[in-house]
Amino acid sequence: EAGVTQSPTHLIKTRGQQATLRCSPISGHTSVYWYQQALGLGLQFLLWYDEGEERNRGNFPPRFSGRQFPNYSSELNVNALELEDSALYLCASSIDRVGYTFGSGTRLTVV
Amino acid sequence: GQQVMQIPQYQHVQEGEDFTTYCNSSTTLSNIQWYKQRPGGHPVFLIQLVKSGEVKKQKRLTFQFGEAKKNSSLHITATQTTDVGTYFCAGTGGGADGLTFGKGTHLIIQP
Repeated sequence: EAGVTQSPTHLIKTRGQQATLRCSPISGHTSVYWYQQALGLGLQFLLWYDEGEERNRGNFPPRFSGRQFPNYSSELNVNALELEDSALYLCASSIDRVGYTFGSGTRLTVV
Repeated sequence: GQQVMQIPQYQHVQEGEDFTTYCNSSTTLSNIQWYKQRPGGHPVFLIQLVKSGEVKKQKRLTFQFGEAKKNSSLHITATQTTDVGTYFCAGTGGGADGLTFGKGTHLIIQP
């Protein structure tokens, strides 16, 4: 069974640009969660999608947005990138919020 | 919002010594989950606790959920070099809440 896949693995952007990160959940999982892991700050909850709807979002500005497609894959968009957006972005999927399965993440570097 | 605090932030132990990390929530949790992240890797689900006072074991790992469902602990007996990594607790209050992660405890083992 394929796990959660994320692309790209690494992304380098200039301040002010936009970044798009992608995630494919485990087959059969309808929920996708996005987390930001900045150095020393643990995992900060960004967004939760389920059945194509945004269920909840964390304490992040509106320039962090996303969507979930009919095949349950998801996209995270970060507009007007700032230096402090540099982090590892992790996507996870689950059934019934028990035992999230994380992808390997996208390392975003803003220069 | 819900906060999950985890201590200690770092723990150095000699190989063979025991290790414990503690997790406290500002609110009552419907369940608590534990994850391990190896250096350079992504979080991997270890276990979920649901019942008040629940204790679960996985080989040398013992997980406890407090009676009030606001705190939890992970104890590792006789640490080995393979135990190196960051251990995160994560809780949810239920409903539309996503998982809130603690900042993790970094376990460093000296041979």
